[in-house]
Parts: sequence; C-alpha cells; structure tokens
Amino acid sequence: DTAVSQTPKYLVTQMGNDKSIKCEQNLGHDTMYWYKQDSKKFLKIMFSYNNKELIINETVPNRFSPKSPDKAHLNLHINSLELGDSAVYFCASSQDSWERHTEAFFGQGTRLTVV
Amino acid sequence: AQSVTQLDSQVPVFEEAPVELRCNYSSSVSVYLFWYVQYPNQGLQLLLKYLSGSTLVESINGFEAEFNKSQTSFHLRKPSVHISDTAEYFCAVRGATNKLIFGTGTLLAVQP
Repeated sequence: DTAVSQTPKYLVTQMGNDKSIKCEQNLGHDTMYWYKQDSKKFLKIMFSYNNKELIINETVPNRFSPKSPDKAHLNLHINSLELGDSAVYFCASSQDSWERHTEAFFGQGTRLTVV
Repeated sequence: AQSVTQLDSQVPVFEEAPVELRCNYSSSVSVYLFWYVQYPNQGLQLLLKYLSGSTLVESINGFEAEFNKSQTSFHLRKPSVHISDTAEYFCAVRGATNKLIFGTGTLLAVQP
C-alpha cells in the first residue's frame, strides 16, 4: 500500500549508459515531480507534470527526459550518463490546483551511482 | 522569485534539551510553508505544514512551527528532543509558481 513508489532503489551504472527510473503513485494525485538531491543534501526540482502535461521544466540537461504515460506514473529516462549525474532522485506527488495547494508526498528515492 | 534560507547546516543538541531550527523565506505573494524530515537513507516525510488559519502548527511527535509574516520566518521548535529525532530537516515554500522550493537542510544531531 505504498503511496509513492520508485524503482529501482539503487542503480549503479557506467558512464555513457542509458537508464530509466520508474515512479508510481496510488494516491489519485494529479501532479507528479522529480527532484534531485546532491551529495550535500540539496534538493532541486527537475520536472513537474500535471495530468500528464509538463508544467515545470527546470534547467536540466536534455539528456534527462521525463515521461508520463498516465497521471499515476512519471518515469525518468537519462541518456549518456555522466559522473555528475550521481545523486539521489526523488519522485513526489501532490493534489493541486491554483485554489488549493497541498503537501507533496515523496518516494523513498533512487540512489544513482555512475562509475 | 521565492526562496528559502536555512542558516544552520547543523545543530548539535543534548537529549531532552529544547531546539529551534531556523527557516526564513522570501516571496512576493502568499505562501504555503512546510517542514519535511529525512531520516538516514530514507525519503522525505512531511512533519508539518502551514496553509492558512492559525499561525502555530504542530506535528504529532511534539514539533511545532510558527508562521511569522512580518519576519518572513517559519522556525521549527521542540521543547525536548530525543535521540530518535536525529535527522535532516528541510523547510520548503510554495508560492505562485506552484513549485515546492526547499532550503538547504539542517542536520539535527541529538547527543546522549
């Protein structure tokens, strides 16, 4: 009955590879996010989707491509991985509208290590 | 643009002592404020939130935070901490852009 689940939890891969991280939420939320947490614990938003539509796209290399097949899923695909991509990636979801803002619920994170 | 400042990167405190973790924000519009906690090797969990109404909000495990609009602050407090409170604490703000912006985090290190 996990609310926001990410797979895999750990991912070790070589430079230059392409990898995907999957995220699913069973909360019925309309909005989903990807955040990157670096080695200093700093959390930065990368993307946000609302009802499968991209609404936030921060300054992220275009090697990162989010895909939302439906509003319960938001996957993150990364091409040509680089050492600097090593981080913990968090998926989150929330139920939002312009009239009502709520908290975001986070997954357990995916620790990506590029070697 | 909105932003969040957590001035203290680490706060060491002895068990059963009181603690305050500071958070200041900047935003030109009404904001919604949150504190999240991250235990080692885990995801973020919501600790408490201010959306509207009473400026003093409380969590189920004894933490409280007060929204102070004039000082643009949302400091987190607990009168008596436990070893189990050791974790990273993140303040976050949400404004007109609909982005949830996080501060840099404060490590609360509770010592016996």
